[in-house]
Amino acid sequence: KAGVTQTPRYLIKTRGQQVTLSCSPISGHRSVSWYQQTPGQGLQFLFEYFSETQRNKGNFPGRFSGRQFSNSRSEMNVSTLELGDSALYLCASSRGTSGGTQETQYFGPGTRLLVL
Amino acid sequence: QKEVEQNSGPLSVPEGAIASLNCTYSDRGSQSFFWYRQYSGKSPELIMFIYSNGDKEDGRFTAQLNKASQYVSLLIRDSQPSDSATYLCAARLYNFNKFYFGSGTKLNVKP
Repeated sequence: KAGVTQTPRYLIKTRGQQVTLSCSPISGHRSVSWYQQTPGQGLQFLFEYFSETQRNKGNFPGRFSGRQFSNSRSEMNVSTLELGDSALYLCASSRGTSGGTQETQYFGPGTRLLVL
Repeated sequence: QKEVEQNSGPLSVPEGAIASLNCTYSDRGSQSFFWYRQYSGKSPELIMFIYSNGDKEDGRFTAQLNKASQYVSLLIRDSQPSDSATYLCAARLYNFNKFYFGSGTKLNVKP
């Protein structure tokens, strides 16, 4: 079974630009969560999408947005990039069953974004 | 207070020893708990998860959960230099597919 894939793997942008990152979950997984990881802040939750709807949201500004398609693939967009947005962006997929005790997240390889 | 707390380390152990990693959580609604290993420059890799009080063993790894004390631990037996990594503890709330991660504990296994 193929794992979670993310594209692109590396990205360099300049301040003020916008960026779109893509994530394809494990086959059969309907939930995609996005995280930002920086050395200072650790792993921070951005949002979760399930069945094309945002189900959970972290504490990030509106510049960070996402969407999910009918095939469960998800994209994350960051507009008006700031230097502080430089980070490893990780997506994680899971089946998405809220009440299941064995619900588990699997991470993709991440997209490393550098904002200059 | 953060939802999941871990000692940042580094925790140094000699090769062959038992490494003990600890984690506490604040929300009693947390249902299941996860340990991920993250090598430098890589993404987190799931080691194991636990949702019942007590111990759960998988090879050299044992996860321990004490819901009364809101405490989760990971024991690594016969530690190897290849176990040197940052270990992330995560908690998932009941009925929400939202995972809270600790800041991670860096483990160094010395040959």
